Amino acid sequence: SYVLSQPPSMPVPPGQTATLTCAGDNVGRASVHWYQQKPGQAPVLVIYGDSHRPSGIPERFSGSNSGNAAALTISRVEAGDEADYYCQVWETATDHAVFGGGTKLTVL
Amino acid sequence: QEQLQESGPRLVKASETLSLTCTVSGGSINTGSFYWSWIRQPPGKGLEGIGYVYFSGSTKFNPSLQNRVNMSMDTSTNSFSLKLSSVTAADTAVYYCARVSSLGMYYFDYWGPGTLVTVSS
Repeated sequence: SYVLSQPPSMPVPPGQTATLTCAGDNVGRASVHWYQQKPGQAPVLVIYGDSHRPSGIPERFSGSNSGNAAALTISRVEAGDEADYYCQVWETATDHAVFGGGTKLTVL
Repeated sequence: QEQLQESGPRLVKASETLSLTCTVSGGSINTGSFYWSWIRQPPGKGLEGIGYVYFSGSTKFNPSLQNRVNMSMDTSTNSFSLKLSSVTAADTAVYYCARVSSLGMYYFDYWGPGTLVTVSS
C-alpha cells in the first residue's frame, strides 16, 4: 500500500510562511490534495490537483508537487490557520484514497 | 451547494454491525460525476479512507477493511450507506461521508460534519 509521510508538527510565528511537506515514492506523478481540519470539525479542501485553490480559499494557500515530495505553502500565517493539515492521493492500484498522517500547524 | 449528513447509532456492541447512512441534499447522487465515500478518524488520529459507492452500484473498499465492509445507494432517498461487520474497539472513530470528484482528480470536495461511533464491549 502506498505511504505518504508528513512531519507531525510545525510551529510558525504569525506573519511568517509555513511550508508543509508530504513525501511519497514518485508522488510527483500523482495529483496531491490538501485538507485543513480544525478541532471538532470536518476536513476542508484547501488545495486540489497539486496547486488549485477551491472557491473561498485565500490566495495565501498554494501548493506544489515534484519528485518525491509535495508541499502546501501558507503565506502570512494567521492565528486562524492553526489546524491539522492532511495530504491525500488516489492510489490507482487499489482505487482508493490514501492520506498522510497529518501535520499539526501551531501558530506561536 | 451540496450538503451531506451522517445518521445512525452512536453506540455499537463489539462483534455486531455498524450501520450508517449519509443523506445528500442540494444535488442528486444518481450521477456519474462523483463517487460517494466514507472516511473515518479514530480519536486523536489521522484520516482513513473506507471506500466508495458509484451511481452504477459498483463499490471499492480499502483492502484493510474489504472483508468486513459493504456500501450501497438508495436513489429514492438520495442517500448512501455503510455497513461494517464484526466491529471491535479499534473501529471506534468519527465517521465522515464525503463526495469524491471522479473526473480525473479524485479529491473530497464536500464532507458531512461527521458522527462519532463508539464500540462498546
